[in-house]
Amino acid sequence: GDSVTQMEGPVTLSEEAFLTINCTYTATGYPSLFWYVQYPGEGLQLLLKATKADDKGSNKGFEATYRKETTSFHLEKGSVQVSDSAVYFCALSVPGANSKLTFGKGITLSVRP
Amino acid sequence: DTAVSQTPKYLVTQMGNDKSIKCEQNLGHDTMYWYKQDSKKFLKIMFSYNNKELIINETVPNRFSPKSPDKAHLNLHINSLELGDSAVYFCASSQGESYNSPLHFGNGTRLTVT
Repeated sequence: GDSVTQMEGPVTLSEEAFLTINCTYTATGYPSLFWYVQYPGEGLQLLLKATKADDKGSNKGFEATYRKETTSFHLEKGSVQVSDSAVYFCALSVPGANSKLTFGKGITLSVRP
Repeated sequence: DTAVSQTPKYLVTQMGNDKSIKCEQNLGHDTMYWYKQDSKKFLKIMFSYNNKELIINETVPNRFSPKSPDKAHLNLHINSLELGDSAVYFCASSQGESYNSPLHFGNGTRLTVT
């Protein structure tokens, strides 16, 4: 079946540090890939997405590139802020009837001033 | 204006009781979902409805029964609550299929069964 594997957390960084969160996937078809973010006490919201190989999704300084050869979609940000502290989820969805969004386990990021 | 709203935000109840969680979306989306988030933050889809029709039912116990009176509402009724049902339940909606349409989530309902 389809699955998403994220690196183990939590992750704690100082403000302005470089961030990488690893994500790899297994899919039966050609999936769309997503990063969702969950701020404390809130629901998830879409951060960025990519729908085909070599596409780069970007938003709020975050980037991720769809790498079909390594089945990866790693999230990066050059300089994190305290306000980036949240839980980050990698997810995939394979096109087809009744497609569903499958999430990784999520990783908690804490950014200290 | 809240796009996807759930009520209640918190629900504390005893084992064996029956409870409901309500969800409404004002985005005009045609697909709605229920997800369960466990204590380790892992999210798993439970149900999906498209235009009031059930399209995904992921090996969820029969004690859980979703109801969609119209495409803007998807409620979740849980019978005979068990300790293992304690979790945060998220409602979400999208316009079309999830592979090309982002999901919009509510803020969750934290259910605690004692």
